[in-house]
Amino acid sequence: ETGVTQSPTHLIKTRGQQVTLRCSSQSGHNTVSWYQQALGQGPQFIFQYYREEENGRGNFPPRFSGLQFPNYSSELNVNALELDDSALYLCASSRGQGATYEQYFGPGTRLTVT
Amino acid sequence: AQSVAQPEDQVNVAEGNPLTVKCTYSVSGNPYLFWYVQYPNRGLQFLLKYITGDNLVKGSYGFEAEFNKSQTSFHLKKPSALVSDSALYFCAVREILTGGGNKLTFGTGTQLKVEL
Repeated sequence: ETGVTQSPTHLIKTRGQQVTLRCSSQSGHNTVSWYQQALGQGPQFIFQYYREEENGRGNFPPRFSGLQFPNYSSELNVNALELDDSALYLCASSRGQGATYEQYFGPGTRLTVT
Repeated sequence: AQSVAQPEDQVNVAEGNPLTVKCTYSVSGNPYLFWYVQYPNRGLQFLLKYITGDNLVKGSYGFEAEFNKSQTSFHLKKPSALVSDSALYFCAVREILTGGGNKLTFGTGTQLKVEL
């Protein structure tokens, strides 16, 4: 098991609502990335934070937003939820933003939008 | 854009036999390649990576991967499969972004089933 934790484990929301997912990075890691994994697919990159700044973003609309805190933990916020947002949301941390650092993933948050 | 392809949705192998999970890549420049494994209802676990150097990379749980530049492949291998190796395997390529960050681009995954 990695030292990356995520909360909550599961949650159910209604279309149009807002949701906040949380991630605590592994000790010594200052970079956090978020991924969305739809059922039966590989994870898709949402964005990455390095020392509290967003330094990369995938093809997701602005209603997906995030934060990173001074202790390097992070939040993913999704506004105006849609049915297609139902997925496993994965957080990954790494020791730095360099491309050679491996990313360590948390167990994920399963979001169901009804 | 960087990409990886996993041509097999599922691989079946008998316990004790060698296993191979295939991955091919398409990148501009030098590839940074990774293998991850995912067990049911779990996050992804890092297995190994290729950055540079030896073409044979050794990783966790007895897995290894062979980087082949001429064939643009990075196949995952294990000499002797275990039932507990049954899981979903993802190949990924690391891409550097304009903002200074980087992202992993994953393949579609290969379900490995090891039978007694």
